[in-house]
Amino acid sequence: TQLLEQSPQFLSIQEGENLTVYCNSSSVFSSLQWYRQEPGEGPVLLVTVVTGGEVKKLKRLTFQFGDARKDSSLHITAAQTGDTGLYLCAGGEIDDKIIFGKGTRLHILP
Amino acid sequence: ETGVTQTPRHLVMGMTNKKSLKCEQHLGHNAMYWYKQSAKKPLELMFVYSLEERVENNSVPSRFSPECPNSSHLFLHLHTLQPEDSALYLCATASGSSDTQYFGPGTRLTVL
Repeated sequence: TQLLEQSPQFLSIQEGENLTVYCNSSSVFSSLQWYRQEPGEGPVLLVTVVTGGEVKKLKRLTFQFGDARKDSSLHITAAQTGDTGLYLCAGGEIDDKIIFGKGTRLHILP
Repeated sequence: ETGVTQTPRHLVMGMTNKKSLKCEQHLGHNAMYWYKQSAKKPLELMFVYSLEERVENNSVPSRFSPECPNSSHLFLHLHTLQPEDSALYLCATASGSSDTQYFGPGTRLTVL
């Protein structure tokens, strides 16, 4: 079974700063999803990336899938308090399973 | 209309109670999942249903019993739970087994 490592586990920064969080594996994924989860709620899908090297933008969020499809990053520009939450990555394995990382808990300070 | 709904949102039960969690989807998806989310652990996949048939059971204790009566509904029947079963239980759906999953809001379960 593949593992997805997310880093950092926790991140607390001031509003207006930029940040990057990472999702890494030693194995190849057919696709990768990023979710944001707020306390007491289910994860909400932000983006799916499927092509190595793919970059997708969602307003101030930029998602990149590594060329080898083993890793991904999420960059947030000018963070806002509304960005606070647990960011989860999930990878689609070759045998059709999907696995989740433990997440990065992000806290944006006003 | 919300794609995936779960009821109840919060549930407190004693170890001898029997209760059921319900998940309903309006996305026309063929695959449905139950996950358990505990503090400081990754999402744990419990059960997978594809076209209303159970295709995976990840060594889940028998005190958890899933049911999928049709493509829109998924239940998780609970009986004689333990305090360590307290967690957020999430339902998810997908078009196919390898496709992006869409989650419900979850049921926060507390076992006393």
